[in-house]
Amino acid sequence: DTAVSQTPKYLVTQMGNDKSIKCEQNLGHDTMYWYKQDSKKFLKIMFSYNNKELIINETVPNRFSPKSPDKAHLNLHINSLELGDSAVYFCASSPGQTYGYTFGSGTRLTVV
Amino acid sequence: DQQVKQNSPSLSVQEGRISILNCDYTNSMFDYFLWYKKYPAEGPTFLISISSIKDKNEDGRFTVFLNKSAKHLSLHIVPSQPGDSAVYFCAASGNTGGFKTIFGAGTRLFVKA
Repeated sequence: DTAVSQTPKYLVTQMGNDKSIKCEQNLGHDTMYWYKQDSKKFLKIMFSYNNKELIINETVPNRFSPKSPDKAHLNLHINSLELGDSAVYFCASSPGQTYGYTFGSGTRLTVV
Repeated sequence: DQQVKQNSPSLSVQEGRISILNCDYTNSMFDYFLWYKKYPAEGPTFLISISSIKDKNEDGRFTVFLNKSAKHLSLHIVPSQPGDSAVYFCAASGNTGGFKTIFGAGTRLFVKA
């Protein structure tokens, strides 16, 4: 029973399209995150939600919009996709901000 | 601006020996440090952590050492096993203007049988 699940695992799409990545956790954690792993393999925080409330919003283009309908879900919607958005996107959750995270297996987004 | 640095992209160790992975950080506001392990096509898995009030934390074969004055931490794996071959990420968090966990670039560990 997967603790943090993301869908889809792979996403190939054309420039200019709009796409969504879904994330769900069944751990009862209060905090959820989106991280981006770029071509240099750095994991960079994008957003963090605590009990459906946005608490971290890094310098991310406003084409990226997170949505948390409840504390178990944090979806990522991306408008007008660009080539530079190609990366692996990881969702994660934790009981709080000073605990280790449980990561999903990642979504590899390729924009062509 | 890399606040968490792992200067060794890769490390190769013989099975049974000690693996030492190093990490440096620049922000003195970090007060909680973590290590994650990542296999290909999977998400990182939390391994071990240490609070800034300690200088050592041990969990089985894994020990993390923290030297606050040097802003340096290390992960020791003893004895190393082939299944430990993975990418290891160092991470740091603290109230640096919002609680964020910042990750290093990772070190790929190869444990040879």
